Amino acid sequence: EAGVAQSPRYKIIEKRQSVAFWCNPISGHATLYWYQQILGQGPKLLIQFQNNGVVDDSQLPKDRFSAERLKGVDSTLKIQPAKLEDSAVYLCASSLEGRAYGYTFGSGTRLTVV
Amino acid sequence: GQNIDQPTEMTATEGAIVQINCTYQTSGFNGLFWYQQHAGEAPTFLSYNVLDGLEEKGRFSSFLSRSKGYSYLLLKELQMKDSASYLCAVDSYGQNFVFGPGTRLSVLP
Repeated sequence: EAGVAQSPRYKIIEKRQSVAFWCNPISGHATLYWYQQILGQGPKLLIQFQNNGVVDDSQLPKDRFSAERLKGVDSTLKIQPAKLEDSAVYLCASSLEGRAYGYTFGSGTRLTVV
Repeated sequence: GQNIDQPTEMTATEGAIVQINCTYQTSGFNGLFWYQQHAGEAPTFLSYNVLDGLEEKGRFSSFLSRSKGYSYLLLKELQMKDSASYLCAVDSYGQNFVFGPGTRLSVLP
């Protein structure tokens, strides 16, 4: 079974620029999550999709972050404009129905804003 | 809201046993996950506890006390490859999983 795919692996941008991350979840996983993990901290949920609908985006900074999951498969997360404090690893995860399965995470995109 | 606490760092010797604690406060507790995360890599699932007690999986065991809001991850016969961060995550009804800050474990020869 292929895992959760994410790209790019690394990205360095200047503040006020825009950036986009891509995620392809495990086939058949209806639920997709984007997490932000700042160095030395645990992952923080940004947004949860169920198929192509948003379930929870309460912690997404909507003035600069946006995400979509067209067709209920791939997803993109965008930041525009980026700030220095956005430097973090952005993790995508997907899960089967049933919470006991937990999440399968992708390798993440490490964003550095300079 | 939820409050999850873990020690920031721990150090242990190869071959030893180490216990990593996690305390939490939440409403509607459903279960607790433990994940392992090597530096620069994605978190990987270790265990999920719903009921009180100890669950053993090879060298790793996880314990839960729902009444005390407490869990621990026990690692036996430590190996160098066990050097990683260990994240607990609380699963509550009607809410998404919330991760603790993680404990960075260093295994020394």
